[in-house]
Amino acid sequence: SQQGEEDPQALSIQEGENATMNCSYKTSINNLQWYRQNSGRGLVHLILIRSNEREKHSGRLRVTLDTSKKSSSLLITASRAADTASYFCASTVNQAGTALIFGKGTTLSVSS
Amino acid sequence: EPEVTQTPSHQVTQMGQEVILRCVPISNHLYFYWYRQILGQKVEFLVSFYNNEISEKSEIFDDQFSVERPDGSNFTLKIRSTKLEDSAMYFCASSGDRGSNQPQHFGDGTRLSIL
Repeated sequence: SQQGEEDPQALSIQEGENATMNCSYKTSINNLQWYRQNSGRGLVHLILIRSNEREKHSGRLRVTLDTSKKSSSLLITASRAADTASYFCASTVNQAGTALIFGKGTTLSVSS
Repeated sequence: EPEVTQTPSHQVTQMGQEVILRCVPISNHLYFYWYRQILGQKVEFLVSFYNNEISEKSEIFDDQFSVERPDGSNFTLKIRSTKLEDSAMYFCASSGDRGSNQPQHFGDGTRLSIL
């Protein structure tokens, strides 16, 4: 089963604008996490939201979770050129398991 | 800040050959993982490892794959007889707690190219 599908697949914005990426999933989750991947690099953990949370903030990042719609969104405010990267949502589906199930990602391009 | 390191950054191997990918997880972490990412596709979970044994594995992780923690610092992924479709980026990750509400810290990956 596919768990975690982001949209849009690609997003191009100007510096200073906000970027919103969405993620949908199919099965129940324990938590949902967002990761960033710069070209040719590994995945960097951004933020984790638990299944009993609805919103979480970290700096310029805001994540929401709607378990009734099985969806999450990541908002990056006041974007910078350095935010250019691919963004992935990932979830854990078991209480005991730790495998992260990733979506295909959104490629964000921020131009100055 | 401590980080996960992986070597080599790029490995080119002939089909049918064995390959070993190496990882040094963050020193006080107890849980270790391998993921792979075929070009243009999702990051896929392969295996998790704790207390010197596999705790979870995916369907991808068949008999051709094995993992080992040969000493107190390294964590390796071995592919016994490589196939063309094994070409991918392989990422190692570690976490300090098996609780699923802990982030996993990733290395920069090894690009494996099978010829």
